[in-house]
Amino acid sequence: GEDVEQSLFLSVREGDSSVINCTYTDSSSTYLYWYKQEPGAGLQLLTYIFSNMDMKQDQRLTVLLNKKDKHLSLRIADTQTGDSAIYFCAESSASKIIFGSGTRLSIRP
Amino acid sequence: GAGVSQTPSNKVTEKGKYVELRCDPISGHTALYWYRQSLGQGPEFLIYFQGTGAADDSGLPNDRFFAVRPEGSVSTLKIQRTERGDSAVYLCASSLNGWTSGKTDTQYFGPGTRLTVL
Repeated sequence: GEDVEQSLFLSVREGDSSVINCTYTDSSSTYLYWYKQEPGAGLQLLTYIFSNMDMKQDQRLTVLLNKKDKHLSLRIADTQTGDSAIYFCAESSASKIIFGSGTRLSIRP
Repeated sequence: GAGVSQTPSNKVTEKGKYVELRCDPISGHTALYWYRQSLGQGPEFLIYFQGTGAADDSGLPNDRFFAVRPEGSVSTLKIQRTERGDSAVYLCASSLNGWTSGKTDTQYFGPGTRLTVL
């Protein structure tokens, strides 16, 4: 069945780049997503990429998609304390979204 | 409305009781989704409505769970004979068109209802 895997934790120094990686299984996914969840807040759609694209850049965010390896990454440039959150990778699968378990990003001074 | 809203924000109930969770989607969105998020996990799909009808209910865990959307807008998720394992955050999302032409459009999530079954 469909599955999305991502590492559970990432710690980076403030000002450095963060790279969160994800693998997925459904090769028919048309969209791949990155959602952000802060404590006590709802899921916020950060960015998404169509499956026929390799890269998408949106201000400090860069999404890279390797469709052959079914690998997706999110790079956050100049990471700030406000970027502390759980980041969910997700793939579209027919009418639903399949989420990974989330990567908790912590920022150290 | 400006976004997806859900009520109540928190619900505490006793094992065996019946609960209803409400979702108000973004105005004009034809598609509505329910997900469940357990502690330390990502959201898991429960059900998808296109208009008034449940187009995909493959994620409902058992027949204690039921959802309706009678007028194609507000939806209610109903859980009968609640069990401690039902404790989770229940998330609702809506999207403008849903599943059309072989792809789904962007889903916008509400803040969730935290259900605790004692």
